Amino acid sequence: SQQGEEDPQALSIQEGENATMNCSYKTSINNLQWYRQNSGRGLVHLILIRSNEREKHSGRLRVTLDTSKKSSSLLITASRAADTASYFCATVDDYKLSFGAGTTVTVRA
Amino acid sequence: NAGVMQNPRHLVRRRGQEARLRCSPMKGHSHVYWYRQLPEEGLKFMVYLQKENIIDESGMPKERFSAEFPKEGPSILRIQQVVRGDSAAYFCASSPYVERSTEAFFGQGTRLTVV
Repeated sequence: SQQGEEDPQALSIQEGENATMNCSYKTSINNLQWYRQNSGRGLVHLILIRSNEREKHSGRLRVTLDTSKKSSSLLITASRAADTASYFCATVDDYKLSFGAGTTVTVRA
Repeated sequence: NAGVMQNPRHLVRRRGQEARLRCSPMKGHSHVYWYRQLPEEGLKFMVYLQKENIIDESGMPKERFSAEFPKEGPSILRIQQVVRGDSAAYFCASSPYVERSTEAFFGQGTRLTVV
């Protein structure tokens, strides 16, 4: 069964604005990962946050993890048209990546 | 170091035919995952393999689907007697599994269309 559930399902923002999406999950995890998928392509790994970490940064990406609420958020700052894609969170309990349905982000020029 | 290679990228099969999807993991990776993605949905786990072993096939339909990862050569996902509902994108991912906290590297997928 799917673990992560992203919210919102879709997001449309103006170039330069920030985009925030959330992920909730149900059971304990080893780590949580965020991936991006451009239309018709495979998934690209963005960032991994371990269960004992609370926040992590990578370039314009900021990820938070709240294990007590079983939730994570992904923030993309100063968005660009190239950030238009679907974003998925994936939980890892042992070896298996379990994906949510994703958030589709559209960045308008 | 080439990424995860999947072929074919697109595959069209008539109902009742067999579909064979191939995945060559990244060099040095001995762990392979297969996922299925329906339009507008996330990826659903199908099977996890190590070389010559199926570790977890809990996401695989019990009938018509099989997977292997031989000692030599690519991993193969085989779908026998395909039906329209098998139409989807099938993604393969590999990892070195040095430890549990590791990212997976995905291929570009095989888009199967059953007509």
